[in-house]
Amino acid sequence: GENVEQHPSTLSVQEGDSAVIKCTYSDSASNYFPWYKQELGKGPQLIIDIRSNVGEKKDQRIAVTLNKTAKHFSLHITETQPEDSAVYFCAASINQAGTALIFGKGTTLSVSS
Amino acid sequence: EPEVTQTPSHQVTQMGQEVILRCVPISNHLYFYWYRQILGQKVEFLVSFYNNEISEKSEIFDDQFSVERPDGSNFTLKIRSTKLEDSAMYFCASSTGAGNSPLHFGNGTRLTVT
Repeated sequence: GENVEQHPSTLSVQEGDSAVIKCTYSDSASNYFPWYKQELGKGPQLIIDIRSNVGEKKDQRIAVTLNKTAKHFSLHITETQPEDSAVYFCAASINQAGTALIFGKGTTLSVSS
Repeated sequence: EPEVTQTPSHQVTQMGQEVILRCVPISNHLYFYWYRQILGQKVEFLVSFYNNEISEKSEIFDDQFSVERPDGSNFTLKIRSTKLEDSAMYFCASSTGAGNSPLHFGNGTRLTVT
């Protein structure tokens, strides 16, 4: 089955710096890669996703890149702000409703002002 | 914005007891999911449900677990005889199923088995 590895487990940056979180996956059949942000006491919230027919996607300060050949994808947050502090999870699945999302172990991002 | 709601937010139960966790998915969503997160660990898939049937389930979802859509709005997860290792945060999620529509998660129920 699919296995998703995520690095680093913790990341501390200064406000205004960029943050990069990297994930690798094992199943070449996976073609949907969402990123979730989890704040304390809340459920995961989707922040951006990418499908395998796209190499990069941006949404304001957030971007995701995908390298299908190498089976890795990354989250880039620019101009970080204290409110970006949270746990970030990458995930992978086959592009089909009802199929399992396989999550990475999460990255705790701390942005200090 | 519509959201997935879960009740209760915290449930404490004794080992061996049955628990039912409740969820109200977003109203026009057709696919429903349960995930769990043991403290400090990754979010793990338990089961997906569509058209009153289980679509997919993980190894974790053994005979102690069951899901049900008892009416038009609720989606429940039942654990028949709880074990200490069932202590975790349980998240319900739903999606429309169109294309690869994203999963919308609730805020979870923290289950503590003593």
